[in-house]
Amino acid sequence: NAGVTQTPKFQVLKTGQSMTLQCAQDMNHEYMSWYRQDPGMGLRLIHYSVGAGITDQGEVPNGYNVSRSTTEDFPLRLLSAAPSQTSVYFCASSYSGNDEQFFGPGTRLTVL
Amino acid sequence: RKEVEQDPGPFNVPEGATVAFNCTYSNSASQSFFWYRQDCRKEPKLLMSVYSSGNEDGRFTAQLNRASQYISLLIRDSKLSDSATYLCVVRDSGYALNFGKGTSLLVTP
Repeated sequence: NAGVTQTPKFQVLKTGQSMTLQCAQDMNHEYMSWYRQDPGMGLRLIHYSVGAGITDQGEVPNGYNVSRSTTEDFPLRLLSAAPSQTSVYFCASSYSGNDEQFFGPGTRLTVL
Repeated sequence: RKEVEQDPGPFNVPEGATVAFNCTYSNSASQSFFWYRQDCRKEPKLLMSVYSSGNEDGRFTAQLNRASQYISLLIRDSKLSDSATYLCVVRDSGYALNFGKGTSLLVTP
């Protein structure tokens, strides 16, 4: 199993550009989530999904959209990138809400 | 937002030392507790869950004190490979995890 994969690993955007961060898992996990990690701060939840077709907001959802059309994929869309969205983004998945969350390797995003 | 507080360190210890990390959480209704490990520029990985009765995994011992809302992690006989950031993580109700900012450990020869 590849586990949780994320693409791209690195991305530089200009303010106002849009893009999609890809996340996929091959463990048949129902739960998936997106976090951002900023220097000096803990990971913060952006959006999460408890199954295909179901998504919900986390702590810092503004400026991001998600969808979950399949169990395997959970893309994160930046609608109009801002410098405040410069961060490391981690996708995670788990079998259930109480199980260990497995994290992808992260996407390092810089918005100029 | 419910808070999870950790001493950021860094903790610099020699090989073979015993080191302890502490963490406090603000939500008395929190349900699950974990320690994750994060290596530099890598993703977090679960080190161990923390149970009320305390639990041990090799050189690592975790304790939970619900009355004081306090979690600890003890590492015995530190190895160079233990150098990392240790994240205290708490789940309230539901799915979302609350992460502390992490405690940095550097084990030196």
